[in-house]
Amino acid sequence: DAKTTQPTSMDCAEGRAANLPCNHSTISGNEYVYWYRQIHSQGPQYIIHGLKNNETNEMASLIITEDRKSSTLILPHATLRDTAVYYCIVRSGAGSYQLTFGKGTKLSVIP
Amino acid sequence: GAGVSQSPSNKVTEKGKDVELRCDPISGHTALYWYRQRLGQGLEFLIYFQGNSAPDKSGLPSDRFSAERTGESVSTLTIQRTQQEDSAVYLCASSGRDGSSGNTIYFGEGSWLTVV
Repeated sequence: DAKTTQPTSMDCAEGRAANLPCNHSTISGNEYVYWYRQIHSQGPQYIIHGLKNNETNEMASLIITEDRKSSTLILPHATLRDTAVYYCIVRSGAGSYQLTFGKGTKLSVIP
Repeated sequence: GAGVSQSPSNKVTEKGKDVELRCDPISGHTALYWYRQRLGQGLEFLIYFQGNSAPDKSGLPSDRFSAERTGESVSTLTIQRTQQEDSAVYLCASSGRDGSSGNTIYFGEGSWLTVV
């Protein structure tokens, strides 16, 4: 699976959009980009995933650049409960269930 | 059920005792996974079930660890003769078809194991 790079931490004001970037410059054509988050002492929560097109669900939007070398997770109206560590991962192939979370981005939503 | 359910949520056991951790995947999900996460560390893959068979057990750290799945539903992870280094949160997850990259993996809240 391709390696991902994320900023270590970010702050966002409550009610504003949180934009979390992820670089995956070595991504290949059949690799999906997945986002999870983990709030302290809880299991990882799935947020969204995509292959080529931008995606939106009730939690977030995922913007993937045309060359697919980077993506941005957007939480449109961040709340205090969105404070968590956010992980961007790339998955491909038959063994892609062996998930590896890197350091992720620690998002702090500030009142 | 609506999500992956795990029990117990917390378990404190004495070194040398056996423990069983239970996982109830999302209804209809044929693929089931166990992971381990030590405090402040990343995920460690343990085992993957497709239906009732386990095509990938490569992450089980020793022969003290075993897992089974019955009825293409509930799975049990058993740790025999627990050691202090087994202390971690054990996460179960499931996905709809198989482990391929297009199938989203959903996690439970985990079973926190403390070996004293």
